Amino acid sequence: AQTVTQSQPEMSVQEAETVTLSCTYDTSESDYYLFWYKQPPSRQMILVIRQEAYKQQNATENRFSVNFQKAAKSFSLKISDSQLGDAAMYFCAYRDSNTGNQFYFGTGTSLTVIP
Amino acid sequence: DSGVTQTPKHLITATGQRVTLRCSPRSGDLSVYWYQQSLDQGLQFLIQYYNGEERAKGNILERFSAQQFPDLHSELNLSSLELGDSALYFCASSPRRGSAEAFFGQGTRLTVV
Repeated sequence: AQTVTQSQPEMSVQEAETVTLSCTYDTSESDYYLFWYKQPPSRQMILVIRQEAYKQQNATENRFSVNFQKAAKSFSLKISDSQLGDAAMYFCAYRDSNTGNQFYFGTGTSLTVIP
Repeated sequence: DSGVTQTPKHLITATGQRVTLRCSPRSGDLSVYWYQQSLDQGLQFLIQYYNGEERAKGNILERFSAQQFPDLHSELNLSSLELGDSALYFCASSPRRGSAEAFFGQGTRLTVV
């Protein structure tokens, strides 16, 4: 079964600085999708960014960008110009495009933004 | 607003009881997923339905069951409730196979007392 690993249970960043959250995954598939979800204190799950495995270009969404290393099975999230509203739990997720269509989530990284 | 509606938002019930959680997916989405999130825990996948049929099953207890109806809404039934079942239960939907993200509802907070 596919696994998603987030090795940083907690991270902190100064406001306006940049922080990178790590994620690795294990799969034998070549076609899949990767996501970062944000869960603020409201507990709502919010999609931050999505990456298709067949695309070499790293996805970006405003201040959020990813570093997708397919060979290394690594998918890190970079948050630039961190804001207080970025404080949340961040989950990395994997979805296989061929079988089952199930989403696999990591255990999450709790991000604190220091004013 | 993700477009996924879960009811009720909060539920308090006693041990041994049975409850039903309801999920209305986004218009046109065929897949519905149920996840359990206990306090300070990650998301545990329970079950997935696609167009009315069970597609995948995770660590769902035998006391729990789910179904997806012809109008694509889904219900998660939890019976013989225990204190440890207290959690946030999320429903998510996605439109088609393999190419799209999941959109989450706001969750149902279940408290078993």
